[in-house]
Amino acid sequence: GDSVTQMEGPVTLSEEAFLTINCTYTATGYPSLFWYVQYPGEGLQLLLKATKADDKGSNKGFEATYRKETTSFHLEKGSVQVSDSAVYFCALSDQDGGFKTIFGAGTRLFVKA
Amino acid sequence: EAGVVQSPRYKIIEKKQPVAFWCNPISGHNTLYWYRQNLGQGPELLIRYENEEAVDDSQLPKDRFSAERLKGVDSTLKIQPAELGDSAVYLCASSRTYNEQFFGPGTRLTVL
Repeated sequence: GDSVTQMEGPVTLSEEAFLTINCTYTATGYPSLFWYVQYPGEGLQLLLKATKADDKGSNKGFEATYRKETTSFHLEKGSVQVSDSAVYFCALSDQDGGFKTIFGAGTRLFVKA
Repeated sequence: EAGVVQSPRYKIIEKKQPVAFWCNPISGHNTLYWYRQNLGQGPELLIRYENEEAVDDSQLPKDRFSAERLKGVDSTLKIQPAELGDSAVYLCASSRTYNEQFFGPGTRLTVL
């Protein structure tokens, strides 16, 4: 079945450092890919998405490119801030899977001032 | 617009007791989801509704879990009786399309 694998955390960075959180997926069809963010005490929020190969999703300085050849959707940000501290979830939704959304385990990010 | 509302935010019960969670989705969203999120893991779908109809309940443990969405708006998820392994955060989400889901803050359940 469909699955999402993302790098284990926690990831600890200093402010203004470069961020990469790796995400790879397996799917039978051509899924849409998502990054969700969960701030402490809050629900998940959609951060960005990409619906087809080579699409780049971007929001709030974060970006991720849908790489079909490597089945990856890595999250990047050039300069992180303390306010970016949160848990980040990679996810996919596949028409072949009835549009069921499959989430990765999440990666916790700590950004130090 | 108002977000997805869930209540209660926290619930502590003893095992074998019943518990219920309530969700009010965003107005106009006809798709509603219930997820369970165990500590350190991503959300796992329990049930998905299209209006009043449960279109995917394959992951719902039907021996003890039940859900309803009367009139295609609010939804209730019930566990009876609760077990220790049911301790988790229960998330409700809604969407207008299949792609973007909006999540509530969740209910953190602790079963003692």
